[in-house]
This record gives sequence, structure tokens and C-alpha cells, in this order.
Amino acid sequence: AQSVAQPEDQVNVAEGNPLTVKCTYSVSGNPYLFWYVQYPNRGLQFLLKYITGDNLVKGSYGFEAEFNKSQTSFHLKKPSALVSDSALYFCAVSPLGTDNDMRFGAGTRLTVKP
Amino acid sequence: DAGVTQSPTHLIKTRGQQVTLRCSPKSGHDTVSWYQQALGQGPQFIFQYYEEEERQRGNFPDRFSGHQFPNYSSELNVNALLLGDSALYLCASSRFTEAFFGQGTRLTVV
Repeated sequence: AQSVAQPEDQVNVAEGNPLTVKCTYSVSGNPYLFWYVQYPNRGLQFLLKYITGDNLVKGSYGFEAEFNKSQTSFHLKKPSALVSDSALYFCAVSPLGTDNDMRFGAGTRLTVKP
Repeated sequence: DAGVTQSPTHLIKTRGQQVTLRCSPKSGHDTVSWYQQALGQGPQFIFQYYEEEERQRGNFPDRFSGHQFPNYSSELNVNALLLGDSALYLCASSRFTEAFFGQGTRLTVV
């Protein structure tokens, strides 16, 4: 079965420090991998996706993610965190390689402290 | 562009009742998927509609059904509601792009 795991329920970082939110996946074939962010009382917002090619994917709001096939990981990163980055982050995989049939992880709550 | 709109925003139903949730996709989008997000969990894929047909389905019972209309809008129907159906129901639309999500409908079953 296609699935993703987010091993950390919560990540805390200080403003200005780099942040990493971890994701590992279990899929067959060539997956589409995604990161979405959810703010309170708002729907999920797309950050970035990996389909193929360059293992480093750049996305919205300064976020990037690194695809590592050998470690089956797709960690989300940002060089310098902002307080406004505090939100719930979801990693997702598409079993059939499309944009709208995603299987999501349980989410990681990121808190950036001033 | 209004983006993806869902109605109603909140809904309270009694166990055993039936409910219909509605979704209007973002302009130009033709594919609509529905997701269930229980409290404290990630969204779970229910099904996807394209060209008025169910194309994919997640691990949800037949009590969950849907429909897509010629204007690409969609409905999610849930019969014989259970307490465990209480969740945020998200609609997402797409067309050769990443999925755009609506704000969701918060369903509470009492």
C-alpha cells in the first residue's frame, strides 16, 4: 500500500533558524510526493511537489524539499524560519501519479518561536 | 476567482440521518476529489470524480457516495451517519495542476 509517515508530531524552532519537517514514504513505482500546509480555519495550501528529475524541489514561501530514493524520504526544509510559518504541515503521496488522489501523513505541527 | 467553495461550512446531524455536502471547483478545473479529516489526523482520500464518473476510491464504505454534475460541481452524500463520521470534509479540485482545497465542511454527528 502507498503510504507516508511523519515521525514527528511537533517541531519547534527559533525564528531565523533552519527548519526540517520529516517525511518517509512507502510506495511502488514512481510516486508523486507533495507537501501541503494547513493554517487554522483555512483549507490546505500547496507548497511543492516532486514528480521526477532534480531531487531538490523548490516551492512556495521559501520552502524546499529533498527527495532521497535510497532513504525513501522527502523532508521539507527552509533555511530561515519565520513566526508566520507556524502551522500544520502534511506530506502526501499519489499512488497513481496524479495531483488529486493523495494519501496524507498524520501531520506535523511546526511552531516557530520569536 | 472564488477558488474552491464548499457548503455548508458547518452542519450538525443525528446518528442514522443522511447528509449532502456540496463543492464548486475552482474555475477551469474538471477533477474533484473529496477527503475526510478527522480531528488530529491527516486528510483521508474518499473518492475522485472526473467526467461525471467516480474514477478512484479510497477505503470508505458504500455509505459514502458522490456525484459530479456537467458544470464540474460535486456532491458528497453520506447515509446512515455514525458518530465516527464527525470530521472536516474537504473538497479539492484540479486540472493538470496541483489540487486546490476548499475551506471544508465541519460535520458533527450527535
